[in-house]
Amino acid sequence: GNSVTQMEGPVTLSEEAFLTINCTYTATGYPSLFWYVQYPGEGLQLLLKATKADDKGSNKGFEATYRKETTSFHLEKGSVQVSDSAVYFCALSPGANSKLTFGKGITLSVRP
Amino acid sequence: GAVVSQHPSRVICKSGTSVKIECRSLDFQATTMFWYRQFPKQSLMLMATSNEGSKATYEQGVEKDKFLINHASLTLSTLTVTSAHPEDSSFYICSAFSGGGTDTYNEQFFGPGTRLTVL
Repeated sequence: GNSVTQMEGPVTLSEEAFLTINCTYTATGYPSLFWYVQYPGEGLQLLLKATKADDKGSNKGFEATYRKETTSFHLEKGSVQVSDSAVYFCALSPGANSKLTFGKGITLSVRP
Repeated sequence: GAVVSQHPSRVICKSGTSVKIECRSLDFQATTMFWYRQFPKQSLMLMATSNEGSKATYEQGVEKDKFLINHASLTLSTLTVTSAHPEDSSFYICSAFSGGGTDTYNEQFFGPGTRLTVL
């Protein structure tokens, strides 16, 4: 079956530090890949996505590249801000209208 | 963007009672809604997929008689936890699927979640 593995957390960084959150997946075929973010007290929001190999999703300074050869979709940001403190979930979907499979999520805390 | 609401945001009930959670898509029609359960420091686990006007499809291991799902309209789905017990205490999240755009893979929009505590 499909699965998503995220690196263990939590992660604590200083403001303006570089961020990498690892995500690898197992799936048949060519799934779509997503990063969702959950800010304190709010619902999950789509941060970025990629629908085919070598696609790069980007939003709010975050980027992730769909790497089929390594089955990975690592999230990166060059300079984090305190407002980036949240829980980040990697997820996959086998196709349109399909249900999502989530990783465990990782909590990011950014210190001023 | 599209907004999904859940009500209530948190509920505390006695063991043996039933609790209903509502999920509404406020500014779009959702043909499909999903219900998830999230345990502390764990991932979201899909419980069921709800299509408007038809019976919900439950994931393996989810008791359909305990977690009743109704999707009576394109903007409302409800999850009723029947005869709740302390082990049902959890964070329940819904999402609504918005289709019809030009994007090949359309997006799920998530509600803020409902914290259920069963005493």
